[in-house]
Amino acid sequence: NAGVTQTPKFRILKIGQSMTLQCTQDMNHNYMYWYRQDPGMGLKLIYYSVGAGITDKGEVPNGYNVSRSTTEDFPLRLELAAPSQTSVYFCASQGGNQPQHFGDGTRLSIL
Amino acid sequence: RKEVEQDPGPFNVPEGATVAFNCTYSNSASQSFFWYRQDCRKEPKLLMSVYSSGNEDGRFTAQLNRASQYISLLIRDSKLSDSATYLCVVNFPGTYKYIFGTGTRLKVLA
Repeated sequence: NAGVTQTPKFRILKIGQSMTLQCTQDMNHNYMYWYRQDPGMGLKLIYYSVGAGITDKGEVPNGYNVSRSTTEDFPLRLELAAPSQTSVYFCASQGGNQPQHFGDGTRLSIL
Repeated sequence: RKEVEQDPGPFNVPEGATVAFNCTYSNSASQSFFWYRQDCRKEPKLLMSVYSSGNEDGRFTAQLNRASQYISLLIRDSKLSDSATYLCVVNFPGTYKYIFGTGTRLKVLA
C-alpha cells in the first residue's frame, strides 16, 4: 500500500530558485496538509485542503503556494527560495475525523 | 497559554520502567486526540487514538481528562525501541486542522 508519497526525498536549492514538492495519496482522502518541521521543533502547518479545488492557509503560508486540482495530488510550490525555508517538509492526508497519515518527508536545504 | 503543551524532556528511563507523559490543551471544545511517535528525522506515525473512556494497546495506555484538559500516555515495561519523540495531537474545533505539540523526548537506557 503506497499511502502518502512525497517526492523528492532530498533537494538542495540555491537562493532565489523555485521548485515544487510533490505529494500524492491513494486513500481517497479529502483532507490534505503540508507541514514544515525545523530541527528540534514541532510541526507547523503551511497550507491545507479540504477537497479538490479548495485550499486554505495554515500558520506559516508566506513564501509558499499550493493547488489541489485532484483529490490525489497536493503539490507545494516555493517561488523564490530563501534560507529560512530550509526545513523538512511533511505532507499528510486524512479521511474524515480519522488520524492523519504522513509521507516520508522532503529534506530541503537552501544555500 | 499555548494551544497544546508538552514537557519537552528528555525523559531518561531504564529498560523495564514505567513512564508517563501529559499533554495539556487550551480549547475545551476539542474532540479528537491522538498520540504520534516520531523517530529522529522520520515522519510522525500514529501510536494511538485517545478515547473518552481511556484505551489500552499492549504496553501503552492513553487517558483523557476533559475537566483538566489534558491527555496522558503511559508506557509500561519500556523497551529500548520505545526511544523516540511522542507528539500529542488535538483537533482545532470546527475544522479538520490538527494542532501538534512540540513533543516529549523519551530515551530508554540499557
